[in-house]
Amino acid sequence: GAVVSQHPSWVICKSGTSVKIECRSLDFQATTMFWYRQFPKQSLMLMATSNEGSKATYEQGVEKDKFLINHASLTLSTLTVTSAHPEDSSFYICSARGAGLADTQYFGPGTRLTVL
Amino acid sequence: AQTVTQSQPEMSVQEAETVTLSCTYDTSENNYYLFWYKQPPSRQMILVIRQEAYKQQNATENRFSVNFQKAAKSFSLKISDSQLGDTAMYFCAFMKLGGSQGNLIFGKGTKLSVKP
Repeated sequence: GAVVSQHPSWVICKSGTSVKIECRSLDFQATTMFWYRQFPKQSLMLMATSNEGSKATYEQGVEKDKFLINHASLTLSTLTVTSAHPEDSSFYICSARGAGLADTQYFGPGTRLTVL
Repeated sequence: AQTVTQSQPEMSVQEAETVTLSCTYDTSENNYYLFWYKQPPSRQMILVIRQEAYKQQNATENRFSVNFQKAAKSFSLKISDSQLGDTAMYFCAFMKLGGSQGNLIFGKGTKLSVKP
């Protein structure tokens, strides 16, 4: 149980385009979803937290207009990187927490974004 | 603010041997959870073990066990009978209870290599 999927697993896009990453909880209802960014050989950096049906809460220094987060249902959250630039290239990971999971976050497999 | 410190950037162990990864944290909270997550080369974050701070008994999961010292704010992970598949980055994480978001605070990680 407690499986989280992410799609796509990797994406390459041109500078200036927008990219959408989906995060789904497959076997539980995710009351809260989290989006992280991870640079090579570094730890995870929390970007934002979203509760179903509410606006996301962004961490300090994360641009809300650049990283749009939508948590429209209890099983789906999306991260849209708008007008992507090469410095947005990174590994993006989502996680989800739900009822009956003892406050534990379960992680998706991550998405490798490369902006040319 | 809470902080999590992993003082060993890299460690290695021979297959079948035992290894202990250290983690210390700083908090003024009394109610919290502690986690160890594993990130193998696939980069999928996998929950290894969790510990509730109110429990005195150390958590165990098969070959994985923790030594939780609340007064010392220490939370080490012991891996017994190390296997090649244990090769991964290991992240210690703290989560405050009672907050509406349930954010994880990660350490910088320890890279563990299991050698045949």
